[in-house]
Amino acid sequence: QVQLVQSGAEVQKPGASVKVSCKASGYTFPNYGISWVRQAPGQGLEWMGWISAYNGNTNYAQNLQGRVTMTTDTSTRTAYMELRSLRSDDTAVYYCARDRFVASPNDYYGMDVWGQGTTVTVSS
Amino acid sequence: EIVLTQSPGTLSLSPGERATLSCRASQSVSSSYLAWYQQKPGQAPRLLIYGASSRATGIPDRFSGSGSGTDFTLTISRLEPEDFAVYYCQQYGSSPRITFGQGTRLEIK
Repeated sequence: QVQLVQSGAEVQKPGASVKVSCKASGYTFPNYGISWVRQAPGQGLEWMGWISAYNGNTNYAQNLQGRVTMTTDTSTRTAYMELRSLRSDDTAVYYCARDRFVASPNDYYGMDVWGQGTTVTVSS
Repeated sequence: EIVLTQSPGTLSLSPGERATLSCRASQSVSSSYLAWYQQKPGQAPRLLIYGASSRATGIPDRFSGSGSGTDFTLTISRLEPEDFAVYYCQQYGSSPRITFGQGTRLEIK
């Protein structure tokens, strides 16, 4: 079945970096993009950015520009999100989600498959 | 930046009742680019509606979406016990590419 499986929970110190992985299965990986969405404890959903698994094009949320990098490895069908210079307010659950069929850039079908989430805790 | 404002913040209803959730955008959003999600505690969000009114795969027909321009609505015709959750609207298009509403909590009365 179509699924995204994320890496395990992380605890990092302020100023450190974290890299979360998201492994896809059950569909043609390069045909879609991946969005990353985070959710701080008790808060709503915040979109972080998107990457095309076809050509690596990215689009990042403005408030994270310069601190976040999204990449993909098509050989292992895995997407990665790295966040640097971590602060306490980066503590959140981080989700990857399948987003946008790249062959139809003007069509939007929502984020239809989600990973299980990765808890990232930033604490000294 | 397009801001999505959802109302009410919390909706208290009983099973069997009809739920109407609102999502208002600060500027016009293409209907093609408006989606709704359901999230239960400890779970990832689940896509319910895309294109403002199209149900995602496997979503029961008691869920429906409508609206255009700046006003969108998610309706649950007859609430089932499993429908009590938090609901988010989301738009795609203008920079930032994607924004979410702050959510509506649907709780059992």
